Amino acid sequence: NAGVMQNPRHLVRRRGQEARLRCSPMKGHSHVYWYRQLPEEGLKFMVYLQKENIIDESGMPKERFSAEFPKEGPSILRIQQVVRGDSAAYFCASSIRGGSNYGYTFGSGTRLTVV
Amino acid sequence: AQKVTQAQTEISVVEKEDVTLDCVYETRDTTYYLFWYKQPPSGELVFLIRRNSFDEQNEISGRYSWNFQKSTSSFNFTITASQVVDSAVYFCALSDDTGANSKLTFGKGITLSVRP
Repeated sequence: NAGVMQNPRHLVRRRGQEARLRCSPMKGHSHVYWYRQLPEEGLKFMVYLQKENIIDESGMPKERFSAEFPKEGPSILRIQQVVRGDSAAYFCASSIRGGSNYGYTFGSGTRLTVV
Repeated sequence: AQKVTQAQTEISVVEKEDVTLDCVYETRDTTYYLFWYKQPPSGELVFLIRRNSFDEQNEISGRYSWNFQKSTSSFNFTITASQVVDSAVYFCALSDDTGANSKLTFGKGITLSVRP
């Protein structure tokens, strides 16, 4: 039973390019969460999605960032026109039911470096 | 607003020493959940424990133990007889009880180095 799969593990982008981060939840999990870990910081919530729906995007920057979780396929976190400040580790988590109270299973993260 | 404070940023110990990682939290909710996660050098997040606010019993799992005290809003983590493999960043996290939309608030993490 594979865990939460994130790819790529490492991603390097030049300023102004687009970054696409993918997350496949655990089998049977229909709730996906994205968190961002800036250097020397803890993780911060970005967005919570269910299949085809964004439930809570209160932690997402208003510009350049978007997320989706289509009916088929992985969840995608998309960052347009990346800047150096976007360099961070992005973690995806999934759960079988909504909310964080029962804990999540996190993926191994995608480390984005903007040069 | 919720907040998790991990005042210690870096701790270095010699193997076999005991070490306690502190976590203090703030919340207005009467029902909430506390977590500890481990992030080894490889970078993934490993779930260690979940505790709800109504259960103040201390928990022991092998060399790991947790001390939850509502009176001081603390949820401290002790590693007994530390080993080099315990070297990692440890995060304490808090979840509110707003049901399906609840989310985790993390502390900034404590970097633990265990020297041989």
